Amino acid sequence: LAKTTQPISMDSYEGQEVNITCSHNNIATNDYITWYQQFPSQGPRFIIQGYKTKVTNEVASLFIPADRKSSTLSLPRVSLSDTAVYYCLVGGDSSGNTGKLIFGQGTTLQVKP
Amino acid sequence: EPEVTQTPSHQVTQMGQEVILRCVPISNHLYFYWYRQILGQKVEFLVSFYNNEISEKSEIFDDQFSVERPDGSNFTLKIRSTKLEDSAMYFCASSEPVRSPTTDTQYFGPGTRLTVL
Repeated sequence: LAKTTQPISMDSYEGQEVNITCSHNNIATNDYITWYQQFPSQGPRFIIQGYKTKVTNEVASLFIPADRKSSTLSLPRVSLSDTAVYYCLVGGDSSGNTGKLIFGQGTTLQVKP
Repeated sequence: EPEVTQTPSHQVTQMGQEVILRCVPISNHLYFYWYRQILGQKVEFLVSFYNNEISEKSEIFDDQFSVERPDGSNFTLKIRSTKLEDSAMYFCASSEPVRSPTTDTQYFGPGTRLTVL
């Protein structure tokens, strides 16, 4: 599983767009990039997943450049309720992978009023 | 929307006692997982379970831990003789086989907070 690096913390204000970038220099050809969100005392929650270019859903957008060595999670117009830890995970269909998720420290996003 | 449920929400036990943490995965899911998170630390993988057997386990998942799917709906984690360092949030997760277990979305339960005294 590719190692990921992301900022430990970020601050933002309500209504702003927040971009969290994750580096994954050793990403493999068959790896996907997945972001999870975790609120205090809750289990992680899937946000978005992508392989290349751009993916958008009702919650966020995920931008992946052509070399796939990084990715950016974009949260439009954040609110106080978006205060959480955001995890970037990279993994793919290699033989022997059983689905285990390897979480790093994540990025703690603090949204201020 | 279907969700993973876990009971109890909080379990307090004495060191050396056995505990069983229970999970009800989403009904059509086939892959099941346990993770734990010590307070202030990252989420750690414990074990994955598929087709009624363990697929993979981490170094944390030693002989004191076991998992079971006793019927068609429950998935349990047993800790035989708890230690102080087992105090943590324990999360159950499940996924359905859409593409592959490594890329399919895992749905996490709300967790059981285990406190070992």
